[in-house]
Amino acid sequence: KAGVTQTPRYLIKTRGQQVTLSCSPISGHRSVSWYQQTPGQGLQFLFEYFSETQRNKGNFPGRFSGRQFSNSRSEMNVSTLELGDSALYLCASSLAEQRSYEQYFGPGTRLTVT
Amino acid sequence: DAKTTQPPSMDCAEGRAANLPCNHSTISGNEYVYWYRQIHSQGPQYIIHGLKNNETNEMASLIITEDRKSSTLILPHATLRDTAVYYCFGGSQGNLIFGKGTKLSVKP
Repeated sequence: KAGVTQTPRYLIKTRGQQVTLSCSPISGHRSVSWYQQTPGQGLQFLFEYFSETQRNKGNFPGRFSGRQFSNSRSEMNVSTLELGDSALYLCASSLAEQRSYEQYFGPGTRLTVT
Repeated sequence: DAKTTQPPSMDCAEGRAANLPCNHSTISGNEYVYWYRQIHSQGPQYIIHGLKNNETNEMASLIITEDRKSSTLILPHATLRDTAVYYCFGGSQGNLIFGKGTKLSVKP
């Protein structure tokens, strides 16, 4: 079974631009969560989607948004990029209908904002 | 979610068992103990989880003390590819919050 895939793997943007990242979960997984990982802050939860509905959200500004499609694929968008948004963005999928720590991560998208 | 304490680093000889401890003294009765690892520049990888009983899968074994205040992750025959940061935590809400973890270095 194929794992979680994320595209693109690397991205360089300039301040003020916007970016869209994509995540395809493991087949059959309906829950998709997004995380931001930086050396200083570690792994921080952004949001989680289940059956096209956002059911949990972390403490990030409204510039960070996401959505999930009927095939469970998910996208996250960051508008008006800031230098501090440079990070590894990780997507994880889960089979469980209840929110679960048993999540399977993709390789991440490395975003650099200059 | 439970507060956890792990040693910052450990070394292990290749082929030997790696025993990684975790203290989670504040864990509550319905919170599972989870272990993940992250190899440099890759996404975190789920390893194993348990509630009360010891668990084993193809990757590792998890030993949870009877009072559930601590656990040990055992990699039975560590390889160089097991070099990673290992995170344990206890929780029931599904939002992963990684602490600093234990950096395991497997040496030839």
